[in-house]
Amino acid sequence: NAGVMQNPRHLVRRRGQEARLRCSPMKGHSHVYWYRQLPEEGLKFMVYLQKENIIDESGMPKERFSAEFPKEGPSILRIQQVVRGDSAAYFCASSPVRGGDGYTFGSGTRLTVV
Amino acid sequence: SQQGEEDPQALSIQEGENATMNCSYKTSINNLQWYRQNSGRGLVHLILIRSNEREKHSGRLRVTLDTSKKSSSLLITASRAADTASYFCATVGETSGSRLTFGEGTQLTVNP
Repeated sequence: NAGVMQNPRHLVRRRGQEARLRCSPMKGHSHVYWYRQLPEEGLKFMVYLQKENIIDESGMPKERFSAEFPKEGPSILRIQQVVRGDSAAYFCASSPVRGGDGYTFGSGTRLTVV
Repeated sequence: SQQGEEDPQALSIQEGENATMNCSYKTSINNLQWYRQNSGRGLVHLILIRSNEREKHSGRLRVTLDTSKKSSSLLITASRAADTASYFCATVGETSGSRLTFGEGTQLTVNP
């Protein structure tokens, strides 16, 4: 039973390009969370999704960022027109039920904007 | 300011010693969790303590929770060099749904 799979592990984008980060939750988990970690800081919540629904996007920047979790396939975090300040590690976590227990984190995608 | 603040920011000890890290938070919680992160890696869940619990043990880990002071501590006994990592506390608030609010972390270094 594979854990939470994130890809790519490392992503380099030039300013103005788009970044797509993928997250496949653990088998049987239908709740997905995205977090961002800036260098030397803790993780900050971005968005919480269930299949085909955004439940809580209170941590998402208002512009350029979007997330989806389609009926089939992985969850996608999309960053349009990236800027240097978007450079960070982006972590995905999944859980089988809503409520904050039983999180499993992926290894993260490290985005570098040059 | 931010919920879930750890202290100290950095801790350096010798192998075999105990390490204690503290965490404070600001709002009412459903539970508090501790995670470990090795440099450049993902997070590993260590232990969860619910708001109605005061103490919990798991192997060499002991977690306490004082909801009246809105604080928690993580004790690692008989530390090993492999315990070197960053340790984060994270809370699930009563009104925050299921998202985790993380502190800034404590960097623990265990010297062999």
